[in-house]
Amino acid sequence: GESVGLHLPTLSVQEGDNSIINCAYSNSASDYFIWYKQESGKGPQFIIDIRSNMDKRQGQRVTVLLNKTVKHLSLQIAATQPGDSAVYFCAENTNTGNQFYFGTGTSLTVIP
Amino acid sequence: ETGVTQTPRHLVMGMTNKKSLKCEQHLGHNAMYWYKQSAKKPLELMFVYSLEERVENNSVPSRFSPECPNSSHLFLHLHTLQPEDSALYLCASSHVQGDTEAFFGQGTRLTVV
Repeated sequence: GESVGLHLPTLSVQEGDNSIINCAYSNSASDYFIWYKQESGKGPQFIIDIRSNMDKRQGQRVTVLLNKTVKHLSLQIAATQPGDSAVYFCAENTNTGNQFYFGTGTSLTVIP
Repeated sequence: ETGVTQTPRHLVMGMTNKKSLKCEQHLGHNAMYWYKQSAKKPLELMFVYSLEERVENNSVPSRFSPECPNSSHLFLHLHTLQPEDSALYLCASSHVQGDTEAFFGQGTRLTVV
């Protein structure tokens, strides 16, 4: 089956610092990747996505990096804020597939 | 608000009860999903419907029965559940092709007693 995992289950950062959350995947056929944020009591919310023909994509305060050689994905959050505290999931799919597979998630805590 | 609505938000049911979870989206999506989220575990894909046809059933026990009457609605019928089925059940929708994000509902927190 698919395997999408995260290197660290928890991450604590000081407010204002940058955060980096990592994700490893095992399916070489995966060509679409998403980062989701899940706050307590809510469903996962889309943050940013990247397709396999790219190695970097930037959004507002977030950057996703994709290294297909080592099957690694990362999410960088600049100037982390208390509102960024949540669990972050990476998910992967194929361009023709309907199955988004998720990792276990990293719990990010921002220390004021 | 993602445009995907799940009801109820919370459900407590006995092991002999029959209940249903409902999911609704009006985003024009034609793929819908049920996921199970247990503590300390990845989101587990349960069922996928594409154009109202079930295309995936990830070895889910028969006590969970999905229904997709149209592209906007998805149900999960529950009967004779076990305490270990207690979890957050999430519905999601997307376009059929796999290179667009899935939108999630808020989930139904299910407790089986």
